[in-house]
Amino acid sequence: GQQLNQSPQSMFIQEGEDVSMNCTSSSIFNTWLWYKQDPGEGPVLLIALYKAGELTSNGRLTAQFGITRKDSFLNISASIPSDVGIYFCAGRKNSGGSNYKLTFGKGTLLTVNP
Amino acid sequence: SAVISQKPSRDICQRGTSLTIQCQVDSQVTMMFWYRQQPGQSLTLIATANQGSEATYESGFVIDKFPISRPNLTFSTLTVSNMSPEDSSIYLCSAASGWGLNEKLFFGSGTQLSVL
Repeated sequence: GQQLNQSPQSMFIQEGEDVSMNCTSSSIFNTWLWYKQDPGEGPVLLIALYKAGELTSNGRLTAQFGITRKDSFLNISASIPSDVGIYFCAGRKNSGGSNYKLTFGKGTLLTVNP
Repeated sequence: SAVISQKPSRDICQRGTSLTIQCQVDSQVTMMFWYRQQPGQSLTLIATANQGSEATYESGFVIDKFPISRPNLTFSTLTVSNMSPEDSSIYLCSAASGWGLNEKLFFGSGTQLSVL
């Protein structure tokens, strides 16, 4: 199936630094979602984006839905050790209705050094 | 948001046996899904669990190997049949709640399956 190109694959940063990761696709998505997965847990929804150009924040997290609808980015400001985990982007082509299928990126492994 | 309880959280199984994973959602949801996450990989959709009818499987997944039930709006099971070591993976239940532009997908904590 189709994949999203998520980068970087991994990041090693110092506590307090800002982080940026992104996802790109060759086709259009109508919804972008960002998840975080801790070891041994399921993905937890961080931010959902529904409109092209939309910029949404959730605490220290900010995500944007690209204007072309083919990309999205997630920023984390002033990172802390508990930000460690795998971050996944996910895109959905169909808005509304019963056909809710997500395509996931391969994830960005974030390590924060105290 | 929907709270999803999944059990067992982990299991170690012998080759050739089957395991049934249960998923309970705390509220009525529109859609329920089952995903597989192989070690170090992203999430792959196995099937959509349809209430009262046969599940809709994605390419590469078949009902004989992954039978799914969804007897009501808040409960579903996934069975991994005739297991082999290649089935070792995390299996995740998910549910969509909300409608239209507010629709969001939530996940259970997963079942870590190891097949010997």
